[in-house]
Amino acid sequence: DGGITQSPKYLFRKEGQNVTLSCEQNLNHDAMYWYRQDPGQGLRLIYYSQIVNDFQKGDIAEGYSVSREKKESFPLTVTSAQKNPTAFYLCASRGDPNTEAFFGQGTRLTVV
Amino acid sequence: ILNVEQSPQSLHVQEGDSTNFTCSFPSSNFYALHWYRWETAKSPEALFVMTLNGDEKKKGRISATLNTKEGYSYLYIKGSQPEDSATYLCALARHYGQNFVFGPGTRLSVLP
Repeated sequence: DGGITQSPKYLFRKEGQNVTLSCEQNLNHDAMYWYRQDPGQGLRLIYYSQIVNDFQKGDIAEGYSVSREKKESFPLTVTSAQKNPTAFYLCASRGDPNTEAFFGQGTRLTVV
Repeated sequence: ILNVEQSPQSLHVQEGDSTNFTCSFPSSNFYALHWYRWETAKSPEALFVMTLNGDEKKKGRISATLNTKEGYSYLYIKGSQPEDSATYLCALARHYGQNFVFGPGTRLSVLP
């Protein structure tokens, strides 16, 4: 089935460690996005990529990094520079800019 | 940062009631408005993509209207059912291909 898959569903990280969240899609979409959700807040854009080998910072990119080496994959690394990484992370992809986005099921990251 | 607002923040209705909520956005430079439904433990799913002032779209018991001149969209649910319980998100794009900015969502609970 076509879709977008995030892994893992839950992730625990020690302070000072980097951690990478996976996002894979088989929808042949050019654009991919990473959002963060905190309690009581809407989805905020971290990074996005409109095409392979290119990506742009969103509104809250500090402390995060991404790569887009393949069309299907857009991994997000939460670095030790991210001061408050505990949150719910959601990945999305979109084909035609006039169409809706498709979302993964999210990864809940907790720093312990 | 573009401000997209939604009201109310949360809503409790009885099964069978009809309800509506609002998405407000700056009326300048509008391109498209998306509505998504996000059920607990699932991925957000698209309901509507709206682009024209005066647009009205319907999917079953759910419909939406758009007023780009005054900067708002309404989402209506007729005869609410417990399975309609979810967070409803709107998202705005101001230009073709631009990333969309999400509102904080309206959390709907339908009580049997």
